[in-house]
Amino acid sequence: QKEVEQDPGPLSVPEGAIVSLNCTYSNSAFQYFMWYRQYSRKGPELLMYTYSSGNKEDGRFTAQVDKSSKYISLFIRDSQPSDSATYLCAVYGGATNKLIFGTGTLLAVQP
Amino acid sequence: GAVVSQHPSRVICKSGTSVKIECRSLDFQATTMFWYRQFPKQSLMLMATSNEGSKATYEQGVEKDKFLINHASLTLSTLTVTSAHPEDSSFYICSARDLGRGLSEQYFGPGTRLTVT
Repeated sequence: QKEVEQDPGPLSVPEGAIVSLNCTYSNSAFQYFMWYRQYSRKGPELLMYTYSSGNKEDGRFTAQVDKSSKYISLFIRDSQPSDSATYLCAVYGGATNKLIFGTGTLLAVQP
Repeated sequence: GAVVSQHPSRVICKSGTSVKIECRSLDFQATTMFWYRQFPKQSLMLMATSNEGSKATYEQGVEKDKFLINHASLTLSTLTVTSAHPEDSSFYICSARDLGRGLSEQYFGPGTRLTVT
């Protein structure tokens, strides 16, 4: 079983739609949860960072962590064509000193 | 803040030559830097973790003699691909942790596209 599972998509939505991106993880020791956005041929950009369970909001983006079900989500409201990118979830904590990434979900927002 | 740069952004080299890629944290100090490799439409694969002033720790399956990593200062790490071959062609991305922001926040460089002909 992979430590982090993420649906690779692709996910195509119309402009203005609410997007839901999700990951599951297997190790309950993970305490830090991140979402990165990666445009084609660019390095990943840190979007959201959450410690433990709960929600965090930043503009149109909301990150949600449910540690009881080992489920993390990123919601994008009023999606824009400029949001088209690959979104990677990442977890950290426990005995490991490194980020563990999901495979990434390719999102396309159609104008 | 938290900007990581990489140089060069793109390099083409001939098989058998060596290529050096630089990674710099521009506005923060990073005791730990990471080197990743990414193939098209795939996620990032961690190659090695480097700590300033000490030897890098390589992930399983990564040849340390082929991918030389030097973390000489708190703002600079280099990756040298020695005796490059076409199968080394890939997108290499470095990352750094900002001491001031805690151990978990990690920032990435823009990546270096290596093509070996």
